Amino acid sequence: QKEVEQNSGPLSVPEGAIASLNCTYSDRGSQSFFWYRQYSGKSPELIMSIYSNGDKEDGRFTAQLNKASQYVSLLIRDSQPSDSATYLCAVMEYGNKLVFGAGTILRVKS
Amino acid sequence: DVKVTQSSRYLVKRTGEKVFLECVQDMDHENMFWYRQDPGLGLRLIYFSYDVKMKEKGDIPEGYSVSREKKERFSLILESASTNQTSMYLCASSLYRVGNTIYFGEGSWLTVV
Repeated sequence: QKEVEQNSGPLSVPEGAIASLNCTYSDRGSQSFFWYRQYSGKSPELIMSIYSNGDKEDGRFTAQLNKASQYVSLLIRDSQPSDSATYLCAVMEYGNKLVFGAGTILRVKS
Repeated sequence: DVKVTQSSRYLVKRTGEKVFLECVQDMDHENMFWYRQDPGLGLRLIYFSYDVKMKEKGDIPEGYSVSREKKERFSLILESASTNQTSMYLCASSLYRVGNTIYFGEGSWLTVV
C-alpha cells in the first residue's frame, strides 16, 4: 500500500523563524505533490503544489521536491502565530486520488 | 472560487440508523471524493467517482456506500451506523485532468451513539 510519512510533531518554532516540515512517500512513480494546511475544526486548504524536482516559492512558503530520495518538504519563512496549524502532505496517485500523511502539528510561539 | 458544500455540518445519530451525507460542488468537476479524518490517522479515502453513476472503492469502503446521480452531487451513505464510524467526513472534488487541485468541503462531524 502506498504510504506517505510525516513526523506528527508538534514542531515548535519561535515567531519569525523558519519552520521546516518534511514528508516521505513510498511510490516512486508519484508525480504530483501537495501541501495542505488545516486549522483545528476546519477542512484542509491548499498551500502549495509541486510537480518537478527542485524548489517552488510562493510568498513565505517554499516547497522542495526530491524524487530520487522520495522526499518533499515545506519551508515557512518568518513564521507567524497564525501559521500554527496541522500541515498535511499529500501525494497524488492513479485516478487523481490523494494519499495523505497523518500531518505535522506546527506551533509558532510569539 | 470553487465551492464544495456539505449540507450537514454536525450530526448525532443512533447505532443502526441509516445516515446520508450530501455533497454538492458548483464547478462542473468530474471527480468527487469522500474521505474520513480521525486523530493520528490523517485522511483516508472511502469512495470516489469519476463521473455520473460511476463509483470506485477507496481504502476503507466497508460499511459505506455512495450515490452519484448528478454530476454536481455525491452522497455518502452509512447503511447501519456504528460507533466506530464517529468521525469527520470530508467531501472533495477536482477536474479530471491528472495532477489537478482537489478542493475540500467544510466537513461533516458525525457522532454515532
